[in-house]
Amino acid sequence: DAKTTQPNSMESNEEEPVHLPCNHSTISGTDYIHWYRQLPSQGPEYVIHGLTSNVNNRMASLAIAEDRKSSTLILHRATLRDAAVYYCILVKAAGNKLTFGGGTRVLVKP
Amino acid sequence: GAVVSQHPSWVICKSGTSVKIECRSLDFQATTMFWYRQFPKQSLMLMATSNEGSKATYEQGVEKDKFLINHASLTLSTLTVTSAHPEDSSFYICSARGYWGQGADEQYFGPGTRLTVT
Repeated sequence: DAKTTQPNSMESNEEEPVHLPCNHSTISGTDYIHWYRQLPSQGPEYVIHGLTSNVNNRMASLAIAEDRKSSTLILHRATLRDAAVYYCILVKAAGNKLTFGGGTRVLVKP
Repeated sequence: GAVVSQHPSWVICKSGTSVKIECRSLDFQATTMFWYRQFPKQSLMLMATSNEGSKATYEQGVEKDKFLINHASLTLSTLTVTSAHPEDSSFYICSARGYWGQGADEQYFGPGTRLTVT
């Protein structure tokens, strides 16, 4: 399976945007880029996913590089509730199994 | 929509006993469910893939006779930890993938079950 690389942690101030990078240089043409987040003592929560084009939903935006070797999850205005571990995962086909890496722990300061 | 529940949310059992954890998709039919395990301060590790009406597929290193999975209906999968030992203490999380006519391919996770074996 293609691997992803994410920073271990990031800090942000409340109400400011957060840009979470993810490198996936060995991505294949059929890999979808999925993002999930996990709040403390909870199951992960789906955030967003994309294939080639940038994507927006109510939670976040996903910017995908033209060569697809990297992507960035954008939280437009961080709130305290956004403090979580964010996982960038490559998924080979719709609904295929997820392989979780270390993720990025996001700290939001009031 | 797309709610997945787990029961119980936490359980304490004695070493040598068996524990059953239920995972339900509440508002959609889940053709495939997944079971994960997460130790403190670590990431999720996939244990097995559960397909409705067929045998589960276990990841390498996961003992299928110890972690029994049954996916008897489109809304329920169960994980039974047999002869539990303290090293089985962990956070067990299920997820479900379903089809409800919108081409969705994301997974929806349950809230997790914390198992403590004494």
